[in-house]
This record gives sequence, structure tokens and C-alpha cells, in this order.
Amino acid sequence: KAGVTQTPRYLIKTRGQQVTLSCSPISGHRSVSWYQQTPGQGLQFLFEYFSETQRNKGNFPGRFSGRQFSNSRSEMNVSTLELGDSALYLCASTSGSERSPLHFGNGTRLTVT
Amino acid sequence: GDSVTQMEGPVTLSEEAFLTINCTYTATGYPSLFWYVQYPGEGLQLLLKATKADDKGSNKGFEATYRKETTSFHLEKGSVQVSDSAVYFCALGSNTNAGKSTFGDGTTLTVKP
Repeated sequence: KAGVTQTPRYLIKTRGQQVTLSCSPISGHRSVSWYQQTPGQGLQFLFEYFSETQRNKGNFPGRFSGRQFSNSRSEMNVSTLELGDSALYLCASTSGSERSPLHFGNGTRLTVT
Repeated sequence: GDSVTQMEGPVTLSEEAFLTINCTYTATGYPSLFWYVQYPGEGLQLLLKATKADDKGSNKGFEATYRKETTSFHLEKGSVQVSDSAVYFCALGSNTNAGKSTFGDGTTLTVKP
């Protein structure tokens, strides 16, 4: 079974630009979540999508948005990039049961200059 | 709100030494508990889990027991190997949304031959 796939692996953007990250979950998984990982803040929850609906949202500004398609693939968008948005963005999928673990992709490393 | 406090690192051990990484949590209800491991350049992988009090999760020689009375989920391994060098995260599952977990800050383990 293929794992969670994130593209691209690396991105370099300039302040003020916008960026879109993509995530393909494990086949059959309907829940997709996004996390931001930085050395200073650790792993922080951005949002979760389940069956194309945002089910939960973390404490991030509105510049961070996402969506999920009917095939469960998800995209995350960050507009008006700031230097502080430089991070590893991790996508995780799960079957949707509260007791199920998260299955992570290898992440997209975003660098904002 | 939910929180996870994880033993600060980094931790450096010699091969075949005993490992303990402490993890305590604050949560309402009876969430699932997880340990994830992250190798350089990769996303997080599930190491082990426990879904209810007194459950013991185990995998690859690692063990952790869900202790409700002390709200702890300490990770242990009797004899570490160089290949165990990685960052270890303790995580609390959500009672309501599978995709939203709360993570500790991570503990970096280095095992020297």
C-alpha cells in the first residue's frame, strides 16, 4: 500500500508570494491533516479535512488555508508569505477513527527569503 | 486544553545502554497515546500506541505503558542500537477528531558505538 505522498519536497519562495502544497493520502483514508514543524515551536496542528469538509482548525492566521478533493487528496495554501512561515509542512492521513494513528508523509520543506 | 510534556533532550547513549524517555500528559477523557519516531529528512512514523489505561504498546524492542494514575506514557528500550538514533515524539490523540493530535517537543536520541 502506497504511503502518504507530499509534493514538492522543497520550495523556495520570496516574502509576499503565495504557495500551494499537495498531499495524497493512503488509499481509503478520508481524514487528512496538516502540521507545521519548526525548531522553535515544534509540531503545530494547522487543520484537518474529512470528506472534503474542514473538521478542525488550529491557531494559525487566515493566510493559511486548505481544501480536500473528492478523492481525498488535499492542498494547503499559504498567501502573503512571511519569513516566519519557513518550516517543514507535514501532511498526515488516517482512517478517521479517533483511536487510529496518523500516517505522515515526508513533508515539504518551505524556505521563505 | 490537552498538553504533552516530554523529557528534554538531547540524549546521548552508548550502544546497548538502557533508554527511558519520559512523557506526561494532560487531557480530558481517555485519549489514545502514541510514540512517533522521525529520522533525518523524513516524516514521523508510528512507533507504538496504547488506546486505554494499562495498555502496553511495543514495537522493535521499545515499550510504553499507558498509566492513567500518573498520566504518563514513558518510552523504554532495554538495549539501544546506533540505528535507533532519531527524534522521538510523544503524542496525545483527540477524543473527537482523529486528525488532531497534540505532540510533545521531541527528544533527540544519539546512540554512539
